[in-house]
Amino acid sequence: AAGVIQSPRHLIKEKRETATLKCYPIPRHDTVYWYQQGPGQDPQFLISFYEKMQSDKGSIPDRFSAQQFSDYHSELNMSSLELGDSALYFCASSSRQGAYEQYFGPGTRLTVT
Amino acid sequence: DQQVKQNSPSLSVQEGRISILNCDYTNSMFDYFLWYKKYPAEGPTFLISISSIKDKNEDGRFTVFLNKSAKHLSLHIVPSQPGDSAVYFCAASHGGYQKVTFGTGTKLQVIP
Repeated sequence: AAGVIQSPRHLIKEKRETATLKCYPIPRHDTVYWYQQGPGQDPQFLISFYEKMQSDKGSIPDRFSAQQFSDYHSELNMSSLELGDSALYFCASSSRQGAYEQYFGPGTRLTVT
Repeated sequence: DQQVKQNSPSLSVQEGRISILNCDYTNSMFDYFLWYKKYPAEGPTFLISISSIKDKNEDGRFTVFLNKSAKHLSLHIVPSQPGDSAVYFCAASHGGYQKVTFGTGTKLQVIP
């Protein structure tokens, strides 16, 4: 079965640079969530979208922005990167036509040097 | 403020025996609970979930029990297999299709 796809899988950036992470949800899933997992921490919710509209917002820095496109894929844009932004970034998707479970992608490992 | 807590950071179990992973939550608004399994450098894999209107849900070797009065849930894996060795996250949400709040994880090691 098709899963959530994230690209790139690994990304190395320098401080103050910009990064864009992409997420392609499971086909027919209409809701996308972004989570950040720092070293030794549990995943923390950043932001979510339903039908291209922001549906919830968590601890997402103002330097970050995200959107969901008409094909339901989502992009997380991160500017003025800081060392503390180094983490695993997970995207998850779910369908409001189905159950509440969120299915996660493999993650993008961002390293800021 | 850790709203979902897994007080055991690690657990070792002999192959074939039962693994019991515990989870406590503080937010009484949570009404949907999930368990995820995670390998290093991979995304969490959904295992099983339970709605607050139930107290038990079973799927193969995995059973989740919910005690709302105690704000406690547990995941039972029977029989445990070496391939079950991973980090298990308890998670909770309020209202469905909402953000999921994760616990701190329990690293399960199943010894052959």
